[in-house]
Amino acid sequence: QKEVEQNSGPLSVPEGAIASLNCTYSDRGSQSFFWYRQYSGKSPELIMFIYSNGDKEDGRFTAQLNKASQYVSLLIRDSQPSDSATYLCAVNDGQNFVFGPGTRLSVLP
Amino acid sequence: GAGVSQSPRYKVAKRGQDVALRCDPISGHVSLFWYQQALGQGPEFLTYFQNEAQLDKSGLPSDRFFAERPEGSVSTLKIQRTQQEDSAVYLCASSSTSGGAGTQYFGPGTRLTVL
Repeated sequence: QKEVEQNSGPLSVPEGAIASLNCTYSDRGSQSFFWYRQYSGKSPELIMFIYSNGDKEDGRFTAQLNKASQYVSLLIRDSQPSDSATYLCAVNDGQNFVFGPGTRLSVLP
Repeated sequence: GAGVSQSPRYKVAKRGQDVALRCDPISGHVSLFWYQQALGQGPEFLTYFQNEAQLDKSGLPSDRFFAERPEGSVSTLKIQRTQQEDSAVYLCASSSTSGGAGTQYFGPGTRLTVL
């Protein structure tokens, strides 16, 4: 059984702080890694993806991947109240996506 | 441009009824996925189509669940003899790449409530 684990939260950070979201996965054959944001009652929307070890930056978001540790994270700089949502980590083995349960982030004004 | 659309957005069924959920993927997307999302959980994979071929149905929870994509575009997920445990949001996603390696774009989902 391929597993993706995330801390369910809620993770609360003050406005302007850095939010750090973590994800671990069990399948060493995983090839690509995605972060989705899901507002309550809405569908998941893609934030960013990462394939290679290291960091990938896109605006206020940075994804970090460490395949040896089977760990992927998402950093959100200058967090805003509008970032309050559930963040889903998805891991792809070339065939299927396996989603984690999501981490609920709350950015306090 | 049009994204993934799903209908109906909400469906209430009495236990034992059959339901059909529709997904219109992004035009030209070869891959189509169905997921089931329970409250407070991440989406769980149900089935995958590449064009009209159903290449993976390992996530379908029982033989009451059936999906089709006869012309390689619109897909229908059918649930026969619905049970209360079928209550969930059913998400459809499509991707421009074959296989599961590419980015998936999600529709708004259908919230199914079985009474």
